[in-house]
Amino acid sequence: DIVMTQSPDSLAVSLGERATINCKSSQSVLSISNNKNYLVWYQQKPGQPPKLLISWASTRESGVPDRFSGSGSGTDFTLTISSLQAEDVAVYYCQQCYGEPLTFGGGTKVEIK
Amino acid sequence: QVQLVESGGGVVQPGGSLRLSCAASGFTFSSYGMHWVRQAPGKGLEWVALIGNDGSNKYYGDSVKGRFTISRDNSKNTLYLQMNSLRVEDTAVYYCAKAVAPVGYYSDYWGQGTLVTVSS
Repeated sequence: DIVMTQSPDSLAVSLGERATINCKSSQSVLSISNNKNYLVWYQQKPGQPPKLLISWASTRESGVPDRFSGSGSGTDFTLTISSLQAEDVAVYYCQQCYGEPLTFGGGTKVEIK
Repeated sequence: QVQLVESGGGVVQPGGSLRLSCAASGFTFSSYGMHWVRQAPGKGLEWVALIGNDGSNKYYGDSVKGRFTISRDNSKNTLYLQMNSLRVEDTAVYYCAKAVAPVGYYSDYWGQGTLVTVSS
């Protein structure tokens, strides 16, 4: 199974400052055949289901603010919130969809400092 | 708009069974794979199972393999999860989620979830 490790477990960032979340996979999730990274990011607010933010490691979903960006390839990935807003308080998860079983990272809780 | 509505959750004793349902609307159900994902109270997300669009491909997480069965009825636009031999550690909110492709990949829409509590 591919193990997904997120860091940090939590972080507190001032409004308007940058938040950076890391995600590392135990093996590459980059497909050689199509050069796509099978890595997505979700945002989950309290009492709500997860919401898809980023697909294929760096493709922002429609309607997602451009302060959210994804980067990385192979085994190391990053979700960046360039200017934290109050509504961004949530838990963020990475997930690999390269192979079954699909696996999630443990989550990173983002709070306001 | 895409809607996914789970039902069937409740309280069950260890060793018991429960069947969850997920009613889908707003998209061509028979064209997409479907996932079940669960979340224990205060914990992270755990992928449970995936079924391909025509029901012929099924995949399970290690912790539920041999106990849970995913299925679908495309004529009723409904996804199911049959859960047998339930354990205390199966207690969680169970979400159904639409895949972005016929056989899987990630999920772009999620239901609100249904709570399953396994307790004596």
